[in-house]
Amino acid sequence: AQTVTQSQPEMSVQEAETVTLSCTYDTSESDYYLFWYKQPPSRQMILVIRQEAYKQQNATENRFSVNFQKAAKSFSLKISDSQLGDAAMYFCAYKPNFGNEKLTFGTGTRLTIIP
Amino acid sequence: GAGVSQSPSNKVTEKGKDVELRCDPISGHTALYWYRQSLGQGLEFLIYFQGNSAPDKSGLPSDRFSAERTGGSVSTLTIQRTQQEDSAVYLCASSPGTVGTQYFGPGTRLLVL
Repeated sequence: AQTVTQSQPEMSVQEAETVTLSCTYDTSESDYYLFWYKQPPSRQMILVIRQEAYKQQNATENRFSVNFQKAAKSFSLKISDSQLGDAAMYFCAYKPNFGNEKLTFGTGTRLTIIP
Repeated sequence: GAGVSQSPSNKVTEKGKDVELRCDPISGHTALYWYRQSLGQGLEFLIYFQGNSAPDKSGLPSDRFSAERTGGSVSTLTIQRTQQEDSAVYLCASSPGTVGTQYFGPGTRLLVL
């Protein structure tokens, strides 16, 4: 069974600084997707960034980028120039590219932005 | 365009009562998912609909839980004889296909007294 581990329950960063959230996963598959979702107090899960396992290039979305290490099964999220609106729970998620298409989530990291 | 919508936003019920939670997916999305987010339990998969195929019910925690999707669009999650441990946020997501990104609704917070 696939598992996703986020070892940092809470993180904090000064506004305008850079922070990295960690995620590791376990799977025997070679073809899959990885995601970072953000959940602010409003409860809405918002997609931050997506990575296809077959792509060697790390995904980037504006201030958000990932460090995808397939051999190490590691998928960290880097947030540059942190803003107050980045404060939220961040979930790492895995989805295989076949069969049951459910997402498997990590337990989340609560990110606090210090003004 | 319109995102995934869910209703009600919040629901308080008494133990033993039945509840229905509704999800309206993004128009044109063929796949629909239900997840449950409990304190201390994280996010867990409940059920998955894809087009006209039989749903994947492997995540439903008991036979008190059921879901249907009418006309390939709106879905209803029904919990019969609610228990206090059913208290959670129920999230619905849809995607354009089995390989697509899942887009989530705002969730329904259920409190069973």
